Amino acid sequence: DAKTTQPNSMESNEEEPVHLPCNHSTISGTDYIHWYRQLPSQGPEYVIHGLTSNVNNRMASLAIAEDRKSSTLILHRATLRDAAVYYCILRPPDSNYQLIWGAGTKLIIKP
Amino acid sequence: DGGITQSPKYLFRKEGQNVTLSCEQNLNHDAMYWYRQDPGQGLRLIYYSQIVNDFQKGDIAEGYSVSREKKESFPLTVTSAQKNPTAFYLCASSIWAVSQPQHFGDGTRLSIL
Repeated sequence: DAKTTQPNSMESNEEEPVHLPCNHSTISGTDYIHWYRQLPSQGPEYVIHGLTSNVNNRMASLAIAEDRKSSTLILHRATLRDAAVYYCILRPPDSNYQLIWGAGTKLIIKP
Repeated sequence: DGGITQSPKYLFRKEGQNVTLSCEQNLNHDAMYWYRQDPGQGLRLIYYSQIVNDFQKGDIAEGYSVSREKKESFPLTVTSAQKNPTAFYLCASSIWAVSQPQHFGDGTRLSIL
């Protein structure tokens, strides 16, 4: 199964951009890259997903490397409410249920 | 508002007892899922259901059972055969399509008395 590697934790200052990296060197050509985040004692919240091209939505941007072996979630202006654990997940198209969850990156926002 | 409701928020189980966790969704999603999360770890799939009256085992189904009699409901029973049930349980639903995200409830925290 394709796996992802993320740093255990990162710190950032409030109102500054945050770049959260994810390595997925064994990704296949058809795996989607999904990002979720989870606040303490809550269920995960979908953030963004992509396949090959960079993607933007109201929450974040997703930058995908040309070889697709890594990606970066970009929060353009972090707030205290963005403090959470961020998960980078691969999703094979032939198996809708198969989300392969790692331990994620704990993002700490300093006021 | 549409969403997923899990109940109860906290649940305690005695030795040898079966307990059932409730999950209801009003998003009109065909697919529903149950995950288990242990402290400091990611989610692991217990069971999933693509449509009513059909469900499949995930990676850690032993000691758990589910039913899917209605589209909106996907209850999970933690049986006495599950020897280490203390965990955070999360229910999710989605459109059954390759790129659609999963929507999660706020979880049930199960502990052993």
